[in-house]
Amino acid sequence: AQTVTQSQPEMSVQEAETVTLSCTYDTSESDYYLFWYKQPPSRQMILVIRQEAYKQQNATENRFSVNFQKAAKSFSLKISDSQLGDAAMYFCAYRRGNDMRFGAGTRLTVKP
Amino acid sequence: DTGVSQDPRHKITKRGQNVTFRCDPISEHNRLYWYRQTLGQGPEFLTYFQNEAQLEKSRLLSDRFSAERPKGSFSTLEIQRTEQGDSAMYLCASSLPGTGSYNEQFFGPGTRLTVL
Repeated sequence: AQTVTQSQPEMSVQEAETVTLSCTYDTSESDYYLFWYKQPPSRQMILVIRQEAYKQQNATENRFSVNFQKAAKSFSLKISDSQLGDAAMYFCAYRRGNDMRFGAGTRLTVKP
Repeated sequence: DTGVSQDPRHKITKRGQNVTFRCDPISEHNRLYWYRQTLGQGPEFLTYFQNEAQLEKSRLLSDRFSAERPKGSFSTLEIQRTEQGDSAMYLCASSLPGTGSYNEQFFGPGTRLTVL
């Protein structure tokens, strides 16, 4: 069974600094997708960034980038120039076909 | 607002009562998903529809749970004889067909259920 592990229940970062959120997953498949979702307090979950497993190049979306290590089954999220609006729960997710599994989440606090 | 909507946003009920939640997906999305999210955890898949057909159900979906999407548009999730363990956030998501990464799931705001 595919499982997703986020080992950091909470993280904090100073505004304008960089923070990295960790995610590891377990799968025997070679073709799958990985995602980071953001869930602000009392607001709906939105997609931050996605990575196709067949692509070696790490995905980037503005201040957000990933470090995808397929052999290590690791998928970390780096947030650069952190902003107060980045404060939220961040969920790592693995998807193969219609089966999507989420990690338990990391609560990110941004200090002004 | 053309996003995924859910109603109600909050529901408080007594143990043993039945509850029903509604999800309205993005109009051109033919896939609809239900998830359950308990405090401190990520969403867990419950079931999904392609148009009106319910194609997959999780083992989490006990026989007290039933989901429908009668016309392939909105969906309802009913919980019969609620138990305290049913207290959770119930999330709905929708997507276009296909399984590529660009068939992104768009999430609704959720319905928070509290069973007393």
